[in-house]
Amino acid sequence: DAGITQSPRHKVTETGTPVTLRCHQTENHRYMYWYRQDPGHGLRLIHYSYGVKDTDKGEVSDGYSVSRSKTEDFLLTLESATSSQTSVYFCAIRKGQGLTPLHFGNGTRLTVT
Amino acid sequence: QQQVKQSPQSLIVQKGGISIINCAYENTAFDYFPWYQQFPGKGPALLIAIRPDVSEKKEGRFTISFNKSAKQFSLHIMDSQPGDSATYFCAASISGPGNQFYFGTGTSLTVIP
Repeated sequence: DAGITQSPRHKVTETGTPVTLRCHQTENHRYMYWYRQDPGHGLRLIHYSYGVKDTDKGEVSDGYSVSRSKTEDFLLTLESATSSQTSVYFCAIRKGQGLTPLHFGNGTRLTVT
Repeated sequence: QQQVKQSPQSLIVQKGGISIINCAYENTAFDYFPWYQQFPGKGPALLIAIRPDVSEKKEGRFTISFNKSAKQFSLHIMDSQPGDSATYFCAASISGPGNQFYFGTGTSLTVIP
């Protein structure tokens, strides 16, 4: 157990509505990541954070924003959800620097109708 | 552009057989290569990882073989068991602050009893 809680686990929303997904870690790790998982694409990085209020874009950041006001929480916001954002979203942490792996939460399945 | 190419997309193996999943990369700056195992409804979990200065790493029934000159690495699962049925992802990263991980597209493994 990586000590990561994602909420909600499932969500259905309508096109054009804002959606916020939450990632909470129980340990004070500096690096946190948001990935989306889609068939045929594997896992693709949306945004990541290297500290409170320090975030950067990944390869599929368009349409997404993030915030990190506390070390333990990393929020992913879809300002105006589209059907192309239907996906499974995973939060991950990295424990330390250097050659260390990612540890993932159990994901949020988001459906945009 | 897929940074890490993974094959096959799906694999069916008899119980007791050897499962082999292959990955290839282009960026020679990658210096960390983890493999993840994912069960339905769960997040990817670290299985085994290797650095490019090592040609092989074994943990129990799981072995990573690494060919730096060919820019390829593979996962071998010896004595495959039905409980190994899952999706496997290879990944590559460049060490450094906030280093990004690039994932393959995944291999769905089914081990037949």
